[in-house]
Amino acid sequence: DAKTTQPPSMDCAEGRAANLPCNHSTISGNEYVYWYRQIHSQGPQYIIHGLKNNETNEMASLIITEDRKSSTLILPHATLRDTAVYYCIVRVAAGNTPLVFGKGTRLSVIA
Amino acid sequence: DSGVTQTPKHLITATGQRVTLRCSPRSGDLSVYWYQQSLDQGLQFLIHYYNGEERAKGNILERFSAQQFPDLHSELNLSSLELGDSALYFCASSVEGTGGLKGYTFGSGTRLTVV
Repeated sequence: DAKTTQPPSMDCAEGRAANLPCNHSTISGNEYVYWYRQIHSQGPQYIIHGLKNNETNEMASLIITEDRKSSTLILPHATLRDTAVYYCIVRVAAGNTPLVFGKGTRLSVIA
Repeated sequence: DSGVTQTPKHLITATGQRVTLRCSPRSGDLSVYWYQQSLDQGLQFLIHYYNGEERAKGNILERFSAQQFPDLHSELNLSSLELGDSALYFCASSVEGTGGLKGYTFGSGTRLTVV
């Protein structure tokens, strides 16, 4: 069973920030939050991950609440090429547990 | 180009047949993971190999098998194919056996159509 809950779909205007929420209320202390995205039948692409601190890279920012029960992926200036399904996954970094994908959020960036 | 190579990109075959999907991991990656993505099931984890050894099994049918060779490439064998096996099959690789902190790098997939 997926450990995360995401809205099935969201729209965002091109050039605006896209804020994608994820609930993970049963997250354990040693589990990281990962975000991947899949652009129209291509292979999923790693975006960012974090444990408890906010993280930023060239693609996005990840904001994790203090209680770690939810997080938000922020694409600061969404473009049409960011239209994709975004997956929020919680997983321990060590061990043999594979990445388990839920249904994700389908983000549509609109011109 | 992610560095993970999957061949063939497309495959059309008849029910009852057997096919082999191939995956070459990114240079230096020891782990290979196979996923199946059908329209109604989403991305399903099938199996994980690390440096030639099976590490974890997911929802992989008995008609399916996989192996990882000494040069670290992997093959997924699908036999007695059924219409419901039509799907995208993705391979991913990672440096460590656990996927490491950065997770996996996925290939572009093989689209299998069973007719």
